[in-house]
Amino acid sequence: DIQMTQSPASLSASLEEIVTITCQASQDIGNWLSWYQQKPGKSPQLLIYGATSLADGVPSRFSGSRSGTQYSLKISRLQVEDIGIYYCLQAYSAPWTFGGGTKLELK
Amino acid sequence: EVQLVESGGGLVQPGRSLKLSCLASGFTFSNYGMNWIRQAPGKGLEWVASISSSSSYIYYADTVKGRFTISRDNAKNTLYLQMTSLRSEDTALYYCARHRGYSSLDWGQGVMVTVSS
Repeated sequence: DIQMTQSPASLSASLEEIVTITCQASQDIGNWLSWYQQKPGKSPQLLIYGATSLADGVPSRFSGSRSGTQYSLKISRLQVEDIGIYYCLQAYSAPWTFGGGTKLELK
Repeated sequence: EVQLVESGGGLVQPGRSLKLSCLASGFTFSNYGMNWIRQAPGKGLEWVASISSSSSYIYYADTVKGRFTISRDNAKNTLYLQMTSLRSEDTALYYCARHRGYSSLDWGQGVMVTVSS
């Protein structure tokens, strides 16, 4: 099974700050990686798919990148509405696996 | 607009069965692979099962293999999850999700399953 190691588990940042969350895959998953934001009591919402493609309606301050088997989600200028829990997902091969999540809070 | 509406959840005793449904609308259901994903209270996301568009390929997480069965009825635009031999650790919010490719998912609002005596 492919393991997705997500870091950090929690993150406290200030408004307008640059935030980076990382997922390390245990083996090659190509670009079959997506990022989701979940707010309390809500379903996860797609931010990035195909490792680097921005989902429809997602602000351009969100971006995804890949370096080998390491994937990153970057928020260029943190806004209040970005607070929540972020998850990566690999859908390259079954069983699909999520990262453990990153809880993003305001400092 | 894509809509995925789950139903069938509730409180069930350990060892009993429950069947979840997910009614899809706003897209051609028969063209997409579908998934069930769950989230235990206060925990992260766990993929449960996947089914391809024509039901040719089906996969399960090891934690549910042999107990859960994913299926679909393309004529009714509905995805199912038959859950048997339920355990307390199956207590979770169960999401139905459409896979658009490259790990891109659209999610339903979820349905709660509580396994308790």
